[in-house]
Amino acid sequence: ETGVTQTPRHLVMGMTNKKSLKCEQHLGHNAMYWYKQSAKKPLELMFVYSLEERVENNSVPSRFSPECPNSSHLFLHLHTLQPEDSALYLCASSQDRNPNRGNSPLHFGNGTRLTVT
Amino acid sequence: GQSLEQPSEVTAVEGAIVQINCTYQTSGFYGLSWYQQHDGGAPTFLSYNALDGLEETGRFSSFLSRSDSYGYLLLQELQMKDSASYFCAVVHSGGYQKVTFGTGTKLQVIP
Repeated sequence: ETGVTQTPRHLVMGMTNKKSLKCEQHLGHNAMYWYKQSAKKPLELMFVYSLEERVENNSVPSRFSPECPNSSHLFLHLHTLQPEDSALYLCASSQDRNPNRGNSPLHFGNGTRLTVT
Repeated sequence: GQSLEQPSEVTAVEGAIVQINCTYQTSGFYGLSWYQQHDGGAPTFLSYNALDGLEETGRFSSFLSRSDSYGYLLLQELQMKDSASYFCAVVHSGGYQKVTFGTGTKLQVIP
C-alpha cells in the first residue's frame, strides 16, 4: 500500500447528490488534512485534524463535512455542492509536532478529481 | 494573513540550470518548503529551509533568506522528467504545523 490512499480517483456528482471522499494513511502519522486544488489557485487548506481532533476549519461552507474516526482515516462528506466546487481534493498526513523541533513534511495522496454537474 | 509569490511558468532546456524564486509575507514563520507535482499526481516534498543559506539534495538545492522573505529552488542538470509544477510553501505558527502554499510554477523542460 502506498503512504496515503484516496478513493475514488474520479467522481462526478449532481448538485443534489450526497457522496463521500475517503482517505487512508499508512505512515503512522497523527495529523491529517484536506486541501482543495483549483486551476491557477494555491492549494487551499480546508480542514486539519490533529490527534483526531479538528483544529482548523478554514471558513469552509457547511456543504463540506469532515470526519476523522481514527488517526489513519479521514472522510469528506459532500452534499448539495455547487459547480464551483469542482476541483482536485487532496488528502495529506504528517507527524504533527512543534515546528521548532524540525519540519514534518506533508505526504499527499493522489487526490479525488471532483466534477459537480 | 499569509501570501506567497512565484512565477507561473518557466521553460528551460534539458541539461541546463533553472532557478524558481519565491517571496513570501507571513507571521510566525518557521521555514520554507518546496513541493513537486507532476500532472495528475500528488505533490511530493522536496526540501525545507528553516535557516538562512543553501541546502543541497542531489540535483536540487533550496535557498532561504529570512531577512528578505525570499527563497529559491535551484534545479541543475535538468531532465525531461523534471517537467512538473513546483510549489513553495511557508510553515508558520498556528497551534499546529500550519502550511500555506503558493500558486505554483509550471516548469517545462524542452530538448
